[in-house]
Amino acid sequence: SYELTQPPSVSVSPGQTARITCSGDALPKKYAYWYQQKSGQAPVLVIYEDSKRPSGIPERFSGSSSGTMATLTISGAQVEDEADYYCYSTDSSGNRKVFGGGTKLTVL
Amino acid sequence: EVQLVESGGGLVQPGGSLRLSCAASGFTFSSYEMNWVRQAPGKGLEWVSYISSSGSTIYYADSVKGRFTISRDNAKNSLYLQMNSLRAEDTAVYYCAREESFDYWGQGTLVTVSS
Repeated sequence: SYELTQPPSVSVSPGQTARITCSGDALPKKYAYWYQQKSGQAPVLVIYEDSKRPSGIPERFSGSSSGTMATLTISGAQVEDEADYYCYSTDSSGNRKVFGGGTKLTVL
Repeated sequence: EVQLVESGGGLVQPGGSLRLSCAASGFTFSSYEMNWVRQAPGKGLEWVSYISSSGSTIYYADSVKGRFTISRDNAKNSLYLQMNSLRAEDTAVYYCAREESFDYWGQGTLVTVSS
């Protein structure tokens, strides 16, 4: 079965740049999406189609993808960015939709 | 404003059945693909099922194939998930989410499978 691999945790100080990676064999051919989930809340889309930012998402959130790895970058991370972050994509057929295991971002 | 509101969760015994609903508003429901995603307590997100805008194309995760059935009623702006032969490992918050991008999510409904 297809898998997306994320680091379990990332920690940065306020104002630093946080980078969260997501690796998967089909990422060269399939888009990556990123979601932020704060405790007790539903996920929120923060990046779609590798690098596009939905309206209302701060400019400090950006995405990129190269080869088998997609990256979510939070430039100048703030305390309110503490959350779990999940990447999402599909296998090469597009039929199997998969989330990464999630990365807990700590900003302190 | 796009709104997705799930309902139908609750406590059910192993082997039992439950039907979840997702009421959509604020957009043309019949034009959008829809999904169910679940999250077990303290765990990550798991995609469960997808249905195309017309209902003609449906996919399931291997973990629920043969037990769960996704459907939709475009006239009622509603999405459904019929869950049969429930197991303890199906215990989770179930979310409905719009489109391939999961651009909007409901607040979820909790399903607990326990004797």
